[in-house]
Amino acid sequence: GQQVMQIPQYQHVQEGEDFTTYCNSSTTLSNIQWYKQRPGGHPVFLIQLVKSGEVKKQKRLTFQFGEAKKNSSLHITATQTTDVGTYFCAGPGGGGADGLTFGKGTHLIIQP
Amino acid sequence: GAGVSQSPRYKVTKRGQDVALRCDPISGHVSLYWYRQALGQGPEFLTYFNYEAQQDKSGLPNDRFSAERPEGSISTLTIQRTEQRDSAMYRCASSLSPTSGYFGTQYFGPGTRLLVL
Repeated sequence: GQQVMQIPQYQHVQEGEDFTTYCNSSTTLSNIQWYKQRPGGHPVFLIQLVKSGEVKKQKRLTFQFGEAKKNSSLHITATQTTDVGTYFCAGPGGGGADGLTFGKGTHLIIQP
Repeated sequence: GAGVSQSPRYKVTKRGQDVALRCDPISGHVSLYWYRQALGQGPEFLTYFNYEAQQDKSGLPNDRFSAERPEGSISTLTIQRTEQRDSAMYRCASSLSPTSGYFGTQYFGPGTRLLVL
């Protein structure tokens, strides 16, 4: 079945440093979504990318969808303590399934 | 309501007992999804409804798991004869769009943490 892999699993940064997480799929994706989950919280939708090569920005966050629609990245500029959490990418389920297939997430830890 | 709600928030049960987990989606949302999330992992798809119709149950681990959404709103996930390996956070999400293969934003609930002793 379809798999969505994320790296790194954990990332420690100093406050103010940049952060990037990468997502790779074994198959071409029609779209990809990104979610953020704060410690003890639930996943919260950040963005959806649909077009090949698409780049979207939300303040300090930049999301990219690869030309082949098999990979994506999330880059945060000048991290702040409020960015702490786990960032998940998710693609449509494989094999005709309708649920999202989530990556294992990248846990962002920020040291002040 | 303002968001997706789930109850109970915590459930401790003994192995072999049945449990029923409830999800109340955002009013007007057509699609409802059930996921299971292990600690430190991403949500794992279980099943999905459009209105009252169960569209996909390919993610249910085995036949002890079932779900229903009889009136197209509230949904119940039932686990029969619980086992210790069923312990996890069970999350519900809803979305406005029923379109298969192109998802609207999914709004997640706070989850029910199930512990099977």
